Amino acid sequence: AQRVTQPEKLLSVFKGAPVELKCNYSYSGSPELFWYVQYSRQRLQLLLRHISRESIKGFTADLNKGETSFHLKKPFAQEEDSAMYYCALRGNTDKLIFGTGTRLQVFP
Amino acid sequence: DAGVTQSPTHLIKTRGQHVTLRCSPISGHKSVSWYQQVLGQGPQFIFQYYEKEERGRGNFPDRFSARQFPNYSSELNVNALLLGDSALYLCASSLATSGSGNEQFFGPGTRLTVL
Repeated sequence: AQRVTQPEKLLSVFKGAPVELKCNYSYSGSPELFWYVQYSRQRLQLLLRHISRESIKGFTADLNKGETSFHLKKPFAQEEDSAMYYCALRGNTDKLIFGTGTRLQVFP
Repeated sequence: DAGVTQSPTHLIKTRGQHVTLRCSPISGHKSVSWYQQVLGQGPQFIFQYYEKEERGRGNFPDRFSARQFPNYSSELNVNALLLGDSALYLCASSLATSGSGNEQFFGPGTRLTVL
C-alpha cells in the first residue's frame, strides 16, 4: 500500500532550537518525496523535493531508502517557520499522496 | 500570472444537492488535479486531467466527476451531497502528467460546507 505517515500532529519549539519533522513512507518502487508547506492564510506550496538535494529557507531533507524516511530538518528554527508541513509521495503517475501534516509552532 | 485560481471561495449546500467547483490553471499548464482535504487530514487525490482526458482517479464514489475544457480549465462536480463531503477542495496544475520536476501548483481551494 502507498502511504505517508507523519507521526506528530504538533511540534512546538523555541526560536533558535533545532527542528526535525518526521516522515515515513510505504511504497513498492522508487518514489519521489516532497515537503509542502502552508503558511497561515496562504496556499499550499512546494518547499523542497528529494531529487533537488537543495536547502530551502534553511530546511533540508534526506531520503533514507533503508528506513523509508524523509525527515525535514532545520538547525535553527525561526518564528516565520511556523506553518503546517505536509510530506508527500509521488509514484509513477502525477498523483500525490500526502501525510496528515505536522503543525510547527516556533515560539519567540 | 495570478497562479491557479478557484471559484467560488466558499460554498454552503444542503444534503442531496449538487455542486460544481471551478479551476483555472496557470497559463501554459495542461494538467489539472483535484484533491479533497478534510479538516485535520492531508489532501487526498480525486482526479487528474490532461489534455481533456482523465488520467487518474482516486478512491471516490461515482458521485464525483470532473471534466477539462479546451482552455484547460476544469470543473469538479459532486452529486447527492453528503455531510462527509464537507471539505476544502484543492485544484493543482502542472505542465505535464508525470516526470521528475513536474511540479504541481496549488490553488487557494474552495471551502464546501454541507448542512
